[in-house]
This record gives sequence, structure tokens and C-alpha cells, in this order.
Amino acid sequence: DQQVKQNSPSLSVQEGRISILNCDYTNSMFDYFLWYKKYPAEGPTFLISISSIKDKNEDGRFTVFLNKSAKHLSLHIVPSQPGDSAVYFCAASAISSYKLIFGSGTRLLVRP
Amino acid sequence: DSGVTQTPKHLITATGQRVTLRCSPRSGDLSVYWYQQSLDQGLQFLIQYYNGEERAKGNILERFSAQQFPDLHSELNLSSLELGDSALYFCASSAPGGSEQYFGPGTRLTVT
Repeated sequence: DQQVKQNSPSLSVQEGRISILNCDYTNSMFDYFLWYKKYPAEGPTFLISISSIKDKNEDGRFTVFLNKSAKHLSLHIVPSQPGDSAVYFCAASAISSYKLIFGSGTRLLVRP
Repeated sequence: DSGVTQTPKHLITATGQRVTLRCSPRSGDLSVYWYQQSLDQGLQFLIQYYNGEERAKGNILERFSAQQFPDLHSELNLSSLELGDSALYFCASSAPGGSEQYFGPGTRLTVT
């Protein structure tokens, strides 16, 4: 039972354009959401997070949007750069739980 | 560099054997988490320790065990290894009260 789903295994975007990565979840107890970036042969790197009391959080080129009614979050990268090419994982945690539940990842390719 | 270290980087062993993976958290972090990433899958939470005590358990097999020592480093012990145990094993740590987890570079285990 996948509680966190990333339905697009891959995404290809032109450099300078917007990249939008999507994530859906099923557990209404999730109250904290995170995005991680992963390069080959490295561990996941924390990018940005959002609490369920917010619907948007920005950090430089990265913005995460949360739609609680739809149980959907998205990561926007503007403008996209070739160095952003990596696998992106969304993750969620539930109230008073410490473990992260990860999606299966989306491989982003930013073309020069 | 997340500040989380893991050794060894690679491990090749035979079925039926036992191995120990080691993790040192970031300075000041009390929580250590272990995750498994099998081929083309997301990260699966195995177990969490907080200041030496087990706090949460996920999909961890009975053949696997972990502990956290007084100096806060952690070890994941995998025994009676099977081919299906081949995976990347990641350790993460978080600060007291923090929700973001910071990952180490992982240990790639190959069981032949």
C-alpha cells in the first residue's frame, strides 16, 4: 500500500523553463512533507519542506505547494538548470511519528 | 556533505553471511534512522533510534537488528543474508525536535 505516490517516473525540461514535480498521498494523518534530491552514488539531500498548516513554502528557485483537500503537493523549480538533473523524492511524516514515508521518485532531466 | 558518515561504502558478501553497517550522525543529532533502497524503489524505513533507545520500527526483517551506542553512532546488523537483501542502505540523522532528516552517502550491499 503506497501512501506516497509519485506517478511520473521521469520528466524532461528545457534549461530555463519551469520544472513541476508532483506527489500524491493517501494518509490524512501526514502533517509534514519534504522534498529530497538524489544524485547517483550519493545519499538524498534535503531540499525543502512544508508543514500542513501552510500551503506554500519558497526557498530560492524552489517552491513547494500543498493542497490538503486534494492530498497533493508539488515542487516547482524556476528556472531549471542542468545541475538540477537528479532523482527527486517526496516524503511525508505523520503527527508524532518520526519515520519518513517516501515516494518512488521522479527522475528529472534538464536539457541545456 | 550532510555530516552523516557511513562505512563501508561498498560491501560484497555471500548468502548466509552476516554483515555490520556503521553510521555516525551529525554532531548534536540524537536520532538515527535506517532506510533500505532496493533497485528502482523508494526508500523504505527500517528503524529509528533516539539517544540510544529504539523509538520506531518499520519494515525491518527479524534477521536485521540495530543499536545505537552511547557515543550516538549506530550499527545495522544483517544476518543470514539472502540475494534479495542486496540494496543501498542509508542512515539519516535529525536534530532534537527537528523534522528534517539528513542522509549519509549510503552503503551498497551486494549479496552473491
